[in-house]
Amino acid sequence: QVQLVESGGGVVQPGRSLRLSCAASGFTFRHYGMHWVRQAPGKGLEWVAAMWYDGTNKYYADSVKGRFTISRDTANNMLYLQMNSLRAEDTSVYYCAREIAARPNLGYLDYWGPGTLVTVSS
Amino acid sequence: QSALTQPASVSGSPGQSITISCTGTSSDVGGYDYVSWYQHHPGKAPELMIYDVNNRPSWVSNRFSGSKSGNTASLTISGLQAEDEADYYCSSYTGSSTLYVFGTGTRVTVL
Repeated sequence: QVQLVESGGGVVQPGRSLRLSCAASGFTFRHYGMHWVRQAPGKGLEWVAAMWYDGTNKYYADSVKGRFTISRDTANNMLYLQMNSLRAEDTSVYYCAREIAARPNLGYLDYWGPGTLVTVSS
Repeated sequence: QSALTQPASVSGSPGQSITISCTGTSSDVGGYDYVSWYQHHPGKAPELMIYDVNNRPSWVSNRFSGSKSGNTASLTISGLQAEDEADYYCSSYTGSSTLYVFGTGTRVTVL
């Protein structure tokens, strides 16, 4: 069955960096676009970043552009989110999610991981 | 790109129908038929309920339906059940630098 498992969250000081990982299994990873979505405590969902199935295109929310980088290792079925210059407002649960195959590149996410908590605090 | 606007809460009794609105602009909801809806039980992963405004994934009950008029999309839940109590988020493709945007979220309460 499809599984996505995030890791790498934790407490980090403002201005520092953190890299999140998402291990994918149960499907042909290289055929799917992948996204990161976050949810701040007590707040709603916020789309963060996306990468096309073939890695040709990457997109970012304005709130993280220039600070976050999405990447993937197709050989090892891994998705990553490199987060630099972290701010208090980046404190959130971060989810990785898979796009549905039938309608790619439209942000329709059919499988999500359980999430990993990132806390930015001094 | 601002979040799409949803009512903070909607409630209904078992068996009733409720509708959740999702208001955006001509740059997102009104400009594309690429609206989706997610159900989110706190502590669990969100679940895709509707895509392309009114299409249901195969695993979603036909009690859930979507529609759109102008800059406002809607999710209707018919025959409300206790298990429907959750947070619901709409989402839209925007075609702008922030490629996708979520709604503010609606807490559905089954009375």
